[in-house]
Amino acid sequence: DVKVTQSSRYLVKRTGEKVFLECVQDMDHENMFWYRQDPGLGLRLIYFSYDVKMKEKGDIPEGYSVSREKKERFSLILESASTNQTSMYLCASSLILAGGNEQFFGPGTRLTVL
Amino acid sequence: RKEVEQDPGPFNVPEGATVAFNCTYSNSASQSFFWYRQDCRKEPKLLMSVYSSGNEDGRFTAQLNRASQYISLLIRDSKLSDSATYLCVVGSTGGGNKLTFGTGTQLKVEL
Repeated sequence: DVKVTQSSRYLVKRTGEKVFLECVQDMDHENMFWYRQDPGLGLRLIYFSYDVKMKEKGDIPEGYSVSREKKERFSLILESASTNQTSMYLCASSLILAGGNEQFFGPGTRLTVL
Repeated sequence: RKEVEQDPGPFNVPEGATVAFNCTYSNSASQSFFWYRQDCRKEPKLLMSVYSSGNEDGRFTAQLNRASQYISLLIRDSKLSDSATYLCVVGSTGGGNKLTFGTGTQLKVEL
């Protein structure tokens, strides 16, 4: 079974804090993704990575950065958290396949920024 | 226009009913298509892939109409456990194997 784990299920931070969200997958997938999910807006792609040390901006990268130092680990960083970054954050991974492939999701981190 | 559009619902149906969800996508070059299921406060999970020839998995049937850029999901003999949000998902042709998710259609199956 593919397993994608995220470091925290719930997180409460204060405005201006630096926040790290960690994601680990155990299936040797090349691709890893970070999304946020908000009511009425669905899943929106923040960043993705198709290889170690490679990263690409998604649809809403502003205010976020990422790090992929090892194939199995993809970190999302909020340099200075703001209240509009309160959301559910979902990490996913997939094998490379032309045209898109099934993505496996972690359980999510519900982040609240006060 | 959204890349993937779905009716948000909710669809409230009695147990045993047949229910159909539709989805349209805007990128005619899209190559892969999926339905995901998301339970309340859980992560999305793949329900089934959608092929041009149509495919069936038990009570679930998915169809793709490339000419109309339209995807459907049919659920027969609905169960209480089918209550969830169903996400229509389209694979892009760009790099990185990105998927574009619809905002989902909520289904509530009632006694």
